[in-house]
Amino acid sequence: DGGITQSPKYLFRKEGQNVTLSCEQNLNHDAMYWYRQDPGQGLRLIYYSQIVNDFQKGDIAEGYSVSREKKESFPLTVTSAQKNPTAFYLCASNSNPKATNEKLFFGSGTQLSVL
Amino acid sequence: AQSVAQPEDQVNVAEGNPLTVKCTYSVSGNPYLFWYVQYPNRGLQFLLKYITGDNLVKGSYGFEAEFNKSQTSFHLKKPSALVSDSALYFCAVRDSSWGKLQFGAGTQVVVTP
Repeated sequence: DGGITQSPKYLFRKEGQNVTLSCEQNLNHDAMYWYRQDPGQGLRLIYYSQIVNDFQKGDIAEGYSVSREKKESFPLTVTSAQKNPTAFYLCASNSNPKATNEKLFFGSGTQLSVL
Repeated sequence: AQSVAQPEDQVNVAEGNPLTVKCTYSVSGNPYLFWYVQYPNRGLQFLLKYITGDNLVKGSYGFEAEFNKSQTSFHLKKPSALVSDSALYFCAVRDSSWGKLQFGAGTQVVVTP
């Protein structure tokens, strides 16, 4: 998990509530990613950012929003529009988004549940 | 479009026996292949990667993977499994585009004493 910190570890959301998941890295990486993990489905890309002040939608961006105001930080907001938010959320980074041989570094994840 | 398949939801093996976790892929260009491991309630950890060159790639914790272009496979192997190898294993593929990684659904490995 070195260098990427996700918080909180567990998060509960009430109906109609927006919640924000934190992801901070001290690896000086340009690229950061948010994945959603559901049992038996592997990891699905929500949003990614290749550089500060820029981000792109992934495969399942609906109901989510992000910002990238600082290189170190890439928070994910799960909005009330996301009707099935219960999942394990993983943040990742790598140093060069355009290098196909670059590996990802992952945080330890946030488990989001609906009350 | 790129895709990756892990045909087994779970692999059971006795400690000391060889372990194989299967992965097949589909990409339009040259494949860049990765294996990651996930322990309970944790993020993924990198095990190994294939770019080009030798078809047998050695990685962390005694794991290796065999690249087979004709069968479009990249199976993960370990000659002698340990109980501590019990975890969820993900195969991933990236084509020659900017770097979007496609993950398989994962294979749960259970090593019994």
